[in-house]
Amino acid sequence: NAGVTQTPKFRVLKTGQSMTLLCAQDMNHEYMYWYRQDPGMGLRLIHYSVGEGTTAKGEVPDGYNVSRLKKQNFLLGLESAAPSQTSVYFCASSYPVRGRETEAFFGQGTRLTVV
Amino acid sequence: AQSVAQPEDQVNVAEGNPLTVKCTYSVSGNPYLFWYVQYPNRGLQFLLKYITGDNLVKGSYGFEAEFNKSQTSFHLKKPSALVSDSALYFCAVYSSASKIIFGSGTRLSIRP
Repeated sequence: NAGVTQTPKFRVLKTGQSMTLLCAQDMNHEYMYWYRQDPGMGLRLIHYSVGEGTTAKGEVPDGYNVSRLKKQNFLLGLESAAPSQTSVYFCASSYPVRGRETEAFFGQGTRLTVV
Repeated sequence: AQSVAQPEDQVNVAEGNPLTVKCTYSVSGNPYLFWYVQYPNRGLQFLLKYITGDNLVKGSYGFEAEFNKSQTSFHLKKPSALVSDSALYFCAVYSSASKIIFGSGTRLSIRP
């Protein structure tokens, strides 16, 4: 059982380049999330989705776009990378049980450096 | 606005001593609270959660957390710390907008 898988694990981009981070989960979870983790900042929510075809902005959405065309996949796009987007990105998924939120399952992270 | 605060950036404890990692929250309605642990170069792992019921919640690796509604706190505790408990710990709250909001994290260091 793979759980939550992120691709790629590492990437170096030049300023202005674009890229897409892929998150795949095999647990049939409804909810999926993208976070970024920076030293001293904890995890900050970028975008999230509560179901296939739906997305919503989180705490720090600027410079990112997302899509949830399939329930199992949640893509995070950077259209024009900036050094401020250097970070570790985590994808997570979770599911409600009888209307109550349960714990989130996390991927291993993607370390992105923008030079 | 709903939020989570972890007032200590770092907690240092000697092995065998009890440990506490503090968390306070601000939410409207009933809180759903979580603790996660992150080891170096890894994703977050779920430790325990409070949804309803007993104020003392037991979780993985011998950890427990005490929910205190009057103090809006959800402190993580362990009776006897191990060196292997050294990691980054995050408190989180589920908000009514279907989002999980995390605290800034507390680095726990257990010295032998």
